[in-house]
Amino acid sequence: AQSVSQHNHHVILSEAASLELGCNYSYGGTVNLFWYVQYPGQHLQLLLKYFSGDPLVKGIKGFEAEFIKSKFSFNLRKPSVQWSDTAEYFCAVTSGTYKYIFGTGTRLKVLA
Amino acid sequence: EAGVAQSPRYKIIEKRQSVAFWCNPISGHATLYWYQQILGQGPKLLIQFQNNGVVDDSQLPKDRFSAERLKGVDSTLKIQPAKLEDSAVYLCASTPAGTSGTLGTQYFGPGTRLTVL
Repeated sequence: AQSVSQHNHHVILSEAASLELGCNYSYGGTVNLFWYVQYPGQHLQLLLKYFSGDPLVKGIKGFEAEFIKSKFSFNLRKPSVQWSDTAEYFCAVTSGTYKYIFGTGTRLKVLA
Repeated sequence: EAGVAQSPRYKIIEKRQSVAFWCNPISGHATLYWYQQILGQGPKLLIQFQNNGVVDDSQLPKDRFSAERLKGVDSTLKIQPAKLEDSAVYLCASTPAGTSGTLGTQYFGPGTRLTVL
């Protein structure tokens, strides 16, 4: 069965620090990969997605993610975080079955 | 553009009672999803509709959960009877028409927080 692992459950950073959140999935076929974000008091919303092509994907608010097929990974990065990036981040995977599998999420707290 | 609407936002019931949640997707969105998100976990897909047909309900506990999407627009999710472990946030999401379920971005509603006592 497909699964998604997010190993960092809680991350605390100071403003201007660099961020990398890990996401690994288990599925051998073609996948589509997503990062969703939920800011405090708001709905889940799409941060970025990968379907095909350039494995380095850029999203909103300066976030990017790199798809490394050989490592089954889709890590999220941001060179310099801001206090407003405090949120919960979810990695998700879909395949040809149309079913979205979400990771358990990473709570990021950025200290001003 | 109006977002995905859900009601109620909060519900507290006792175990063995029944409860229903309502979702109105973004206009024109063909695919609708119901998720269960237990505290500390990611959203788990319960059921996926394409228009008014079920695409996937493999993780829906059918002995107590049911869902319908009449006329391919809004949808209701029902739990009867509720158990303590059903306490969770129930999220509804939709995807625009013209995109396959694997490619379309999901737009989420605010969720319904259910507490079962």
